[in-house]
Amino acid sequence: GAVVSQHPSRVICKSGTSVKIECRSLDFQATTMFWYRQFPKKSLMLMATSNEGSKATYEQGVEKDKFLINHASLTLSTLTVTSAHPEDSSFYICSIIAERGSTDTQYFGPGTRLTVL
Amino acid sequence: GESVGLHLPTLSVQEGDNSIINCAYSNSASDYFIWYKQESGKGPQFIIDIRSNMDKRQGQRVTVLLNKTVKHLSLQIAATQPGDSAVYFCAEKGDSSYKLIFGSGTRLLVRP
Repeated sequence: GAVVSQHPSRVICKSGTSVKIECRSLDFQATTMFWYRQFPKKSLMLMATSNEGSKATYEQGVEKDKFLINHASLTLSTLTVTSAHPEDSSFYICSIIAERGSTDTQYFGPGTRLTVL
Repeated sequence: GESVGLHLPTLSVQEGDNSIINCAYSNSASDYFIWYKQESGKGPQFIIDIRSNMDKRQGQRVTVLLNKTVKHLSLQIAATQPGDSAVYFCAEKGDSSYKLIFGSGTRLLVRP
């Protein structure tokens, strides 16, 4: 499978500050990446689809001005949580699309734990 | 809307026994299914996948069964080991996009 990294793995910030999370595809050129958030003991919720060289596509209910996504290269997508508040505390996970045999499937990064104080 | 769900939120098995984790899906148009394993504090890890033109697929110690008649997916783990303890998610892809719909997850606990 594909190797995906995220940085940082954990971040604690004060309310009102902005936090940037990086997602890197280490062995595939990823024209499409996904960003998910996951609350404790819950499933993954898709936030947005990150498209290299174009605007991200956000899921219904996700504020695009709150969660800024930049996909400037085929190996890097960033998610910036702007003016973070305690309710933004969550586990953020990215994924990429990579070939697996004749099928394209999603491979996930290790996640970033965001805690907003 | 369409959804993927799991029958058992928690499954406890004895080490060495076989585990069966079930998943029900509602979108009959879904053509691709994946099982992921997620350990605490980590991202989901791909385990095995299956396309809708297949009923069964085997991997190393894992088997996925697909019953399209009743829209049911299962993951069988043979000789369950302590390292198998995790939350398992099924996911389906139902249209031409790459989006996945995730189930709610089943926690597998392996008793020594």
